[in-house]
Amino acid sequence: SSELTQDPAVSVALGQTVRITCQGDSLRSYYANWYQQKPGQAPVLVIYGKNNRPSGIPDRFSGSSSGNTASLTITGAQAEDEADYYCNSRDSSGNPRVFGTGTKVTVL
Amino acid sequence: EVLLVESGGGLVQPGRSLRLSCAASGFTFADRAMHWVRQAPGKGLEWVSSISWNSGNIGYADSVKGRFTISRDTAKNSLYLQMHSLRAEDTALYYCAKDMEVTATRMDVWGQGTTVTVSS
Repeated sequence: SSELTQDPAVSVALGQTVRITCQGDSLRSYYANWYQQKPGQAPVLVIYGKNNRPSGIPDRFSGSSSGNTASLTITGAQAEDEADYYCNSRDSSGNPRVFGTGTKVTVL
Repeated sequence: EVLLVESGGGLVQPGRSLRLSCAASGFTFADRAMHWVRQAPGKGLEWVSSISWNSGNIGYADSVKGRFTISRDTAKNSLYLQMHSLRAEDTALYYCAKDMEVTATRMDVWGQGTTVTVSS
C-alpha cells in the first residue's frame, strides 16, 4: 500500500512538546518529508530526509523514523506553529507521490 | 530568492481543456526536477505529476494519467500542465513545486497556486 496515515488533529500547550506521526509501508524504504501549511498559504518544507531542516526552519522542529512510522516533533511549540502538517514519501516508482492525510496542530 | 508563479487557472466546463503554467526564477531551473501538486477545497495535498530535469522521467497520479501532460521549457524557465477531459473532481488549487534534486525526490519550494474550477 502507498497510503500514509496521520492522526487528524492534535493539540499542545504553548511551550510544550508535540509529536505528529505518519504511518505507511513506504516509510520502511524511504524517509518522510514534512510540510507545514497555514491557512491560505502554500506548504512549507520543515523536515526532510533522516532529520534535516531547510534554511530558516527553527530547530524546535525535528524528525525521526522507525519501521513504518515517521514522526515530526515540535519541542517548545509556539503560537505560530499552529497549522496543518503533512508527511510525504516516495512510492515504489521513486516518485514523491504519497502524501499523508494531514494533522491539524492546535497550540493552546 | 526562489520564486514560482503559477497561472492559467480558471472556470472551465467538464470535458474541456486547460493549460497551467509556472514561471520559475531565482534558481537554475534546468538543474531541478519539478512537480504539480493539487489541493481540493478543504482537503489535503494530492501529488499530480513530476518531471525530471531533462524530462527523461515523468510520472502521473492514477487519477490524471492519460488526461494530463506535464512538460517544461528550459529556455523559458517554465513548467506546464496540459489538462484535458476535465472533471468536477479536478477542481482544486494547483501548486507548482521545485525539487531539491535533478530527479523527483522532494518538493522544497512551492508557488502560491492557481485555482481550477470545473463546473457547468
